[in-house]
Amino acid sequence: GQSLEQPSEVTAVEGAIVQINCTYQTSGFYGLSWYQQHDGGAPTFLSYNALDGLEETGRFSSFLSRSDSYGYLLLQELQMKDSASYFCAVRGYSGNTPLVFGKGTRLSVIA
Amino acid sequence: EPEVTQTPSHQVTQMGQEVILRCVPISNHLYFYWYRQILGQKVEFLVSFYNNEISEKSEIFDDQFSVERPDGSNFTLKIRSTKLEDSAMYFCASGSGGAYEQYFGPGTRLTVT
Repeated sequence: GQSLEQPSEVTAVEGAIVQINCTYQTSGFYGLSWYQQHDGGAPTFLSYNALDGLEETGRFSSFLSRSDSYGYLLLQELQMKDSASYFCAVRGYSGNTPLVFGKGTRLSVIA
Repeated sequence: EPEVTQTPSHQVTQMGQEVILRCVPISNHLYFYWYRQILGQKVEFLVSFYNNEISEKSEIFDDQFSVERPDGSNFTLKIRSTKLEDSAMYFCASGSGGAYEQYFGPGTRLTVT
């Protein structure tokens, strides 16, 4: 089976940096993805890590350590519009297998 | 920019009725998925579809569920006899072969009364 753990809620100040952690236990592992979901909206892809290390995309970065079964999403220069839920998700064995999502972290950005 | 579309945006039905949720995946994608999200909970996988057949399904996807690709563009999810616990947001997603990103549609909110 597969399970993912991430904090349920995080609050951060506008302009600050926040890190959302994700640990996973999977029978197979092909990669770790991060999705953003605003209230009432669809999950939107943010980033993907298949190999160890840091991937940077603008204000968002994602890190993976396969040996630790751990990853994180780093959001810099927080903006109010970043208030949303963030989900980590894994694939078991190939790029086309279904995503298994964590329970999500609700990020609240305050002024 | 290509996108996944879903209809209807909101469906209200009575318990025991059949519903069909419709999706138009991105045109050159080969892999199609249905997920659901009960309010306030995580996104859960239902079924994946490739080459005109189901490639994988979860334990949620029991005999009351079925999927179909009736033509070259639509991808449907049918729930034969809805139950109260089927109330959720249903998301369709598609992906191209070998790509790591799945594109999600805006979802259909299903309310079973």
